[in-house]
Amino acid sequence: GQSLEQPSEVTAVEGAIVQINCTYQTSGFYGLSWYQQHDGGAPTFLSYNALDGLEETGRFSSFLSRSDSYGYLLLQELQMKDSASYFCAVRYSSASKIIFGSGTRLSIRP
Amino acid sequence: DTEVTQTPKHLVMGMTNKKSLKCEQHMGHRAMYWYKQKAKKPPELMFVYSYEKLSINESVPSRFSPECPNSSLLNLHLHALQPEDSALYLCASSQAQSGANVLTFGAGSRLTVL
Repeated sequence: GQSLEQPSEVTAVEGAIVQINCTYQTSGFYGLSWYQQHDGGAPTFLSYNALDGLEETGRFSSFLSRSDSYGYLLLQELQMKDSASYFCAVRYSSASKIIFGSGTRLSIRP
Repeated sequence: DTEVTQTPKHLVMGMTNKKSLKCEQHMGHRAMYWYKQKAKKPPELMFVYSYEKLSINESVPSRFSPECPNSSLLNLHLHALQPEDSALYLCASSQAQSGANVLTFGAGSRLTVL
């Protein structure tokens, strides 16, 4: 199968750091991406990992371990505007098949 | 231009109607996608076009018919839909092949089937 698993909900405090995990099926894996979606909005791309290690983009970082079929999104210095749903997405095969995880709803408290 | 434009933003249709959703991008992307998203659920892949050819059909019912007239346009023709097809339909584009790791989404077309 091509299922991806994420926690359904995470709550954090403004200014803190939060990590959202994602595990995936390995068959045909080409890369792991992260998307943010605010209520009523469209998903927007945050980060991408094809190789093991950490990718940093401002307050957001993404990590991949292909041997563990695992990745995470790290959000630092949380702001209220970071309250949104976060999806991991895996590209399977060279045919541009991109499947989304179940999504994690992040709520930020003052 | 770094946008994907979808029309209409909202559509209400009866089960016997025929309608179309349209998507346009001018980023030179050669892969275009249709996703369906229900409330509080992830986007669900429906179709992928690569270089104007249908490369992936995720066993979507034939009442949904995609069309890619050229490299900038993607349509989704709707016919004899069911109320359970009510959802947000998202179009996305990306570079093809090795560049197909970053999707740019349109704002979506919210469909209600009565």
